[in-house]
Amino acid sequence: GNSVTQMEGPVTLSEEAFLTINCTYTATGYPSLFWYVQYPGEGLQLLLKATKADDKGSNKGFEATYRKETTSFHLEKGSVQVSDSAVYFCASADQSGGSNYKLTFGKGTLLTVNP
Amino acid sequence: NAGVTQTPKFQVLKTGQSMTLQCAQDMNHNSMYWYRQDPGMGLRLIYYSASEGTTDKGEVPNGYNVSRLNKREFSLRLESAAPSQTSVYFCASSVFGYEQYFGPGTRLTVT
Repeated sequence: GNSVTQMEGPVTLSEEAFLTINCTYTATGYPSLFWYVQYPGEGLQLLLKATKADDKGSNKGFEATYRKETTSFHLEKGSVQVSDSAVYFCASADQSGGSNYKLTFGKGTLLTVNP
Repeated sequence: NAGVTQTPKFQVLKTGQSMTLQCAQDMNHNSMYWYRQDPGMGLRLIYYSASEGTTDKGEVPNGYNVSRLNKREFSLRLESAAPSQTSVYFCASSVFGYEQYFGPGTRLTVT
């Protein structure tokens, strides 16, 4: 089955620093890939997505590029803010073999941004 | 639109008690899901319903049952709660497995 591996946290940055959170996946097909964000005490929210190789998803200054050759979908932001402090989850959706109803999540990376 | 709603928000149970977690969505989505979130484990799928009238086991179904009451509602039942079921439970919905929309969660403690 699918699996998603993302860098372990916690990650602590100063405001305006550059952020990278690594994510790699294994899948039998060509999954759609997602980043979700969870703010303290809340449910998960979709941050961005990419559905095929070389697609770049972007939202709120965050970006991630679907790299089939390295099976990666790393999350980046050029200048983080205190309000970006949250847990970030990478996820894949396998669309092959009739199993396109489920997402596989990484374990999450806690980001703390200090003023 | 309220999106995905869950009740209750918090619950404390004693070992052996039963309870039902309720979930409803108003986005006309076909698929609904129940996850549990534990520290260091990410989200693990308990059960899902690809469409009204169908339910399937996920990664960690033992100790749980589900009912897809109609297109809007998907409930999760713990028949005999155990301390290992202490967790945060999230319901989600989607259009046939693409991006999922999550509820705010239910924090359950079993003593």
